[in-house]
Amino acid sequence: DGGITQSPKYLFRKEGQNVTLSCEQNLNHDAMYWYRQDPGQGLRLIYYSQIVNDFQKGDIAEGYSVSREKKESFPLTVTSAQKNPTAFYLCASSIDRGRKTEAFFGQGTRLTVV
Amino acid sequence: KNQVEQSPQSLIILEGKNCTLQCNYTVSPFSNLRWYKQDTGRGPVSLTIMTFSENTKSNGRYTATLDADTKQSSLHITASQLSDSASYICVVSEGGSYIPTFGRGTSLIVHP
Repeated sequence: DGGITQSPKYLFRKEGQNVTLSCEQNLNHDAMYWYRQDPGQGLRLIYYSQIVNDFQKGDIAEGYSVSREKKESFPLTVTSAQKNPTAFYLCASSIDRGRKTEAFFGQGTRLTVV
Repeated sequence: KNQVEQSPQSLIILEGKNCTLQCNYTVSPFSNLRWYKQDTGRGPVSLTIMTFSENTKSNGRYTATLDADTKQSSLHITASQLSDSASYICVVSEGGSYIPTFGRGTSLIVHP
C-alpha cells in the first residue's frame, strides 16, 4: 500500500530524555513536514523539508531536530530542551509545494512525558 | 500575521440533518484553501481543495464554497451520518511560499 507511516503510535518519555519519532513515506513525495497538535489549537509547523539533505525551521522548531538523509524518511527528534513535549505529532508529505498540492498525513504519534 | 478562524468551535446535530461550518481567513496572498476531516486520534484526511478561481467543490455529501473577495469559506454537510463525527479543519496556503496556516477546527458530533 502507498502511504505515509508514523511509528510508534504511542510513546512515553522520561523528562530529560531525547526521543525520535519515525516518519516514512512510499509516495515518492519530495516535501515532508512535521506538525504538533495540542488540544483546542490548530496544527503548528515544526520543520519541513523540500528535498533530501535540506530542511527549514517552522514556527516552533526550538527543542526539536530533524534529518532528511533519504527521500522516504524524515525522523523528528524531541530533545530535552523542548519544555512541553507532551502532544500529538503529525507527519505529512506532498509531491511538491505547488498551488494545488495536497498534503497526506500519517496517523500520528502521541508523545507523553512521564 | 496570517490567521484562519473557524466557527463554530463545536456543533452537535442529529443524524440526517444538514450543517454548515465556517472559515474566515486573512492569509495573503492566497494560494489555496483546503478542508480536512480528522477523526479522534488519527491524521487529517483531505476533503476538498480550492484555488482562487474555484468557488465551489463537492466531495460526496460534502460541499465547500469559497468567496475569495470576502475571504470566507464554508463546508456544508448534507444528510449527516454518525461517521461524520470528527474535527473539520480549514487550511489556507499562502501564495508563493505555499506555507499553510491551520484553523483550530470545528468539532462536529452527530447523534442518532
